[in-house]
Amino acid sequence: EPEVTQTPSHQVTQMGQEVILRCVPISNHLYFYWYRQILGQKVEFLVSFYNNEISEKSEIFDDQFSVERPDGSNFTLKIRSTKLEDSAMYFCASSREGLAGLSTDTQYFGPGTRLTVL
Amino acid sequence: ELKVEQNPLFLSMQEGKNYTIYCNYSTTSDRLYWYRQDPGKSLESLFVLLSNGAVKQEGRLMASLDTKARLSTLHITAAVHDLSATYFCAVDLWGGSQGNLIFGKGTKLSVKP
Repeated sequence: EPEVTQTPSHQVTQMGQEVILRCVPISNHLYFYWYRQILGQKVEFLVSFYNNEISEKSEIFDDQFSVERPDGSNFTLKIRSTKLEDSAMYFCASSREGLAGLSTDTQYFGPGTRLTVL
Repeated sequence: ELKVEQNPLFLSMQEGKNYTIYCNYSTTSDRLYWYRQDPGKSLESLFVLLSNGAVKQEGRLMASLDTKARLSTLHITAAVHDLSATYFCAVDLWGGSQGNLIFGKGTKLSVKP
């Protein structure tokens, strides 16, 4: 069964460093998302991406964050200058359709990248 | 601001018992999702509920949606240990335009023998 994959599974970085989290969405999916989950808290939406551009972004997704689909398979999240409060599990998700109307599609989540900022 | 509230946040059950998890939301979205998360794992989609009165069942889990009351329920029948996990409900922020999900805080379910 196709699945979303993410690398690395765990990333440790120093405060102020740049990190790139990588995701390979399911191959025939067109909509891509990033979420984060701070330990023990709820899952928070960061950004959605469709047709090579950002569709929506949350207040969390400030100028330190950027997303890119550099080729036909990868979808990346870059944090330019990490802060301690960026420590969280970052989930990538994808869906084949936009989730509107009568679509019964759902978002499929990857296993996550645990980011630890020291 | 869209709010999604789940209760209870923690639930300890005996095997074989029934219980219901509630999910209230503050907007008129008519799409609601239930996900399961095992410790340290990703989120697994359980149900997509699209319309008022929608009811879906999978094994010992049954989900329903009342869009007028802005309420969804996840009913657990005859709980077994394997159901121990955290269950999240989520609602579209933009009414389904892009599927940007707003999650509740989750209900951590522990099923004891």
